[in-house]
Amino acid sequence: DAGITQSPRHKVTETGTPVTLRCHQTENHRYMYWYRQDPGHGLRLIHYSYGVKDTDKGEVSDGYSVSRSKTEDFLLTLESATSSQTSVYFCAISKGTGRYGYTFGSGTRLTVV
Amino acid sequence: QKEVEQDPGPLSVPEGAIVSLNCTYSNSAFQYFMWYRQYSRKGPELLMYTYSSGNKEDGRFTAQVDKSSKYISLFIRDSQPSDSATYLCAMSEGRDDKIIFGKGTRLHILP
Repeated sequence: DAGITQSPRHKVTETGTPVTLRCHQTENHRYMYWYRQDPGHGLRLIHYSYGVKDTDKGEVSDGYSVSRSKTEDFLLTLESATSSQTSVYFCAISKGTGRYGYTFGSGTRLTVV
Repeated sequence: QKEVEQDPGPLSVPEGAIVSLNCTYSNSAFQYFMWYRQYSRKGPELLMYTYSSGNKEDGRFTAQVDKSSKYISLFIRDSQPSDSATYLCAMSEGRDDKIIFGKGTRLHILP
């Protein structure tokens, strides 16, 4: 996806271990988002950021933390991975205000065993 | 009542048919309406974007908004197997950064 890269693309990890997912953008957009997508639940917002060091919680933030030290990077950390966090994680970016829509990354498929 | 409702499908139609995908919503303050297309194992991509009521056409795709009924539709003419994907409706008030997504409808176009 143009301008937004997620890494890794796939990861298998063990229960109880910390995991960090990275989102990198080259669009210089102010807003960045982390979603998880699960069958039957659709996209659910985990955390979002509206600028460097400015972050806020979404609807499913328990067990997750984020950091944004540079405009281009937004990190999502699973502090102690659980099987319920097995999911596909998407990063999205936006110029700001919902009128512009979001651009999504290609996703990270995370499996917690 | 959920803010945005979308039938999950799956919806299977023969190639060449007209497809109609729909969402209903409850927030009358929504002004911006979008449709995203998501192929398997890919991220959602913005397909159509409409402001307020009315129709918008782009090739084989037409987005329609009826604010009085709180109902939006996406029509696909001359459907192709490459249109097989999950389609998510999305909407926003436009005053802040929030976009509310439907859960998506899985569409299969049968050759």
